[in-house]
Amino acid sequence: DAGITQSPRHKVTETGTPVTLRCHQTENHRYMYWYRQDPGHGLRLIHYSYGVKDTDKGEVSDGYSVSRSKTEDFLLTLESATSSQTSVYFCAISEEGNSPYEQYFGPGTRLTVT
Amino acid sequence: AQSVTQLDSQVPVFEEAPVELRCNYSSSVSVYLFWYVQYPNQGLQLLLKYLSGSTLVKGINGFEAEFNKSQTSFHLRKPSVHISDTAEYFCAVTPYNTDKLIFGTGTRLQVFP
Repeated sequence: DAGITQSPRHKVTETGTPVTLRCHQTENHRYMYWYRQDPGHGLRLIHYSYGVKDTDKGEVSDGYSVSRSKTEDFLLTLESATSSQTSVYFCAISEEGNSPYEQYFGPGTRLTVT
Repeated sequence: AQSVTQLDSQVPVFEEAPVELRCNYSSSVSVYLFWYVQYPNQGLQLLLKYLSGSTLVKGINGFEAEFNKSQTSFHLRKPSVHISDTAEYFCAVTPYNTDKLIFGTGTRLQVFP
C-alpha cells in the first residue's frame, strides 16, 4: 500500500469555522491531489499540486484553498465551512513517469458541517 | 471535455453468479481507462487499467474488463462473485498527456448469499 495518511479521519464542525485537513505521504511523489466524494457525483477534483508551492485549481475549488510547503504534506483548508462542504475528502498521489500517472488514494476524511 | 457514465447506480447479485458493471465514456481525445474499487469505509484501490494493446485486461480479485473503442465502453466483469466483492466500483478516464482522473458516479455492487 502507498504510504498515504490523512488527518483527521473524522471531523464535525460548525458552519463558519475554519477547517484544515492534512495529507501526508512517505513516497516522495511529486504530484498530490484533493478530491471530494459525494453520492451521485463520484469523486471530483478540488485542487492539485505538482510540487512544493506549485498548486492549481480543480473542478470544484470554490471555498477551498491549499498549501504545500513540503513534498510530503498537502493541506486543504476550508476558510469558512458551509453545510455544502459536508463530504468525504480523499487525498491522492502520483509520480511523473509512472505513465499514465497512476494515482494512489489515502483512506479519506469524513467531514460533517453542522 | 470528457465524461464517464455508469448507468447502474446499484447492482444486486447472488454469490457465485456472474456480474457486469457498465461504463461508457465520452472524449474528443484518446484516453486511458481505469476501474477502482472502494470497500466500505476505505479509500480507492486500483482494480485494473487499460493503457494500450490487448483490449481485454485482467485485474485483481478475478475481475477483467474489455475496452471497446467503437462503443466507447469499458465494462467490468467477473464470472463468479463472492460476498467479499461487495463494494463500490468507479470507472475513470485520463486523457492522453494529462494526469487528471475523471470519475463516473460509481456502481454499488451488493452480493447476497
